[in-house]
Amino acid sequence: AQTVTQSQPEMSVQEAETVTLSCTYDTSESDYYLFWYKQPPSRQMILVIRQEAYKQQNATENRFSVNFQKAAKSFSLKISDSQLGDAAMYFCAYKGRSNYQLIWGAGTKLIIKP
Amino acid sequence: NAGVMQNPRHLVRRRGQEARLRCSPMKGHSHVYWYRQLPEEGLKFMVYLQKENIIDESGMPKERFSAEFPKEGPSILRIQQVVRGDSAAYFCASSPGSGLGNTEAFFGQGTRLTVV
Repeated sequence: AQTVTQSQPEMSVQEAETVTLSCTYDTSESDYYLFWYKQPPSRQMILVIRQEAYKQQNATENRFSVNFQKAAKSFSLKISDSQLGDAAMYFCAYKGRSNYQLIWGAGTKLIIKP
Repeated sequence: NAGVMQNPRHLVRRRGQEARLRCSPMKGHSHVYWYRQLPEEGLKFMVYLQKENIIDESGMPKERFSAEFPKEGPSILRIQQVVRGDSAAYFCASSPGSGLGNTEAFFGQGTRLTVV
């Protein structure tokens, strides 16, 4: 069975600085997708960035980028130039190519210090 | 284009009562997924439905829980005879297609169920 592990329950960063959130996963599948979701206090689950396992190039969305290490089964999220609006819970999620279920990590609470 | 709408946002039920959670998918989406989020945990898959069909309910508790997605109207997650352990946030997501591959599922804001 697939599992997703986020080992950092909470992270804090100074506004305008860079922070990296860790995520590791376990799977025997070779083709899958990885996602980072943001959950602000409103509880709305918002897709931040996604990575397709067969793509070697790391995904980037504006200030958000990932470091995808397939052999190490690692999928970290880097947030550059942190802003107060980035404060939220961040969840890493996995989905097999032939599946529709998302497998979720326990989340990392990100605190932005002004 | 309205997003996924869930109601109510907050629901309080006494032990033994029934809870009904509603989810209206995004316009044009015919696939709905329900997830449960316990405190301090990530989401756990419960059930996947298409219009009038349950495709996968492998994550649903065998007793007291049921889900439907009728031809007309919202998807309903029903919990009978609620217990304190049912207290959680319940999220609904929808997608235009089967959700396989990297098809994005769009989430609602969830319903927070509190059993007292």
